[in-house]
Amino acid sequence: DAKTTQPTSMDCAEGRAANLPCNHSTISGNEYVYWYRQIHSQGPQYIIHGLKNNETNEMASLIITEDRKSSTLILPHATLRDTAVYYCIVRVASGGSNYKLTFGKGTLLTVNP
Amino acid sequence: DARVTQTPRDKVTEMGQEVTMRCQPILGHNTVFWYRQTMMQGLELLAYFRNRAPLDDSGMPKDRFSAEMPDATLATLKIQPSEPRDSAVYFCASGSTSGGSETQYFGPGTRLLVL
Repeated sequence: DAKTTQPTSMDCAEGRAANLPCNHSTISGNEYVYWYRQIHSQGPQYIIHGLKNNETNEMASLIITEDRKSSTLILPHATLRDTAVYYCIVRVASGGSNYKLTFGKGTLLTVNP
Repeated sequence: DARVTQTPRDKVTEMGQEVTMRCQPILGHNTVFWYRQTMMQGLELLAYFRNRAPLDDSGMPKDRFSAEMPDATLATLKIQPSEPRDSAVYFCASGSTSGGSETQYFGPGTRLLVL
């Protein structure tokens, strides 16, 4: 799986958009970008994933650059409950031996009142 | 709202004792994963099952850890004998390989402390 690079930490004001960047310059053509988050003392929570088109769901939006070497997770209106460690993971969607989610250190997002 | 459930949520035991952790995957999911999380190592994959068959347990200490799926609704992770270095949070996750894209959904974890 391609390696990812994320900032160690970020701050965001409550109610504002949180934009979390991720670099994955060695991503392969069949690898997806997945985002998970882990709120303190809870299990990792799936947020969103995408291949090359931008994606949006009820939790967030995922913007992937045209060359697919980087992406941004957007939480449109951050709340205090969005304070968590956010993990950007690149892997093949399914099948074969590419089933692992390899978690790096992620970005600690702190939403401030 | 389907969720992965894990029991117990917390376990304190003494070194040498057997520990069994249980996981109920989301109904209809055909893959189950066991992860361990520590401050030092972060999240590590211990074992992986697909359609109840173990496909990868290379992350587990073989001499003391075992993982099984007695049926489609139950996965177990057993440590015998337990050691202080096994203290960690153990997460179970389930997913589905149908539809060409697999997403893993995690349970709340079992927090294990071995004294």
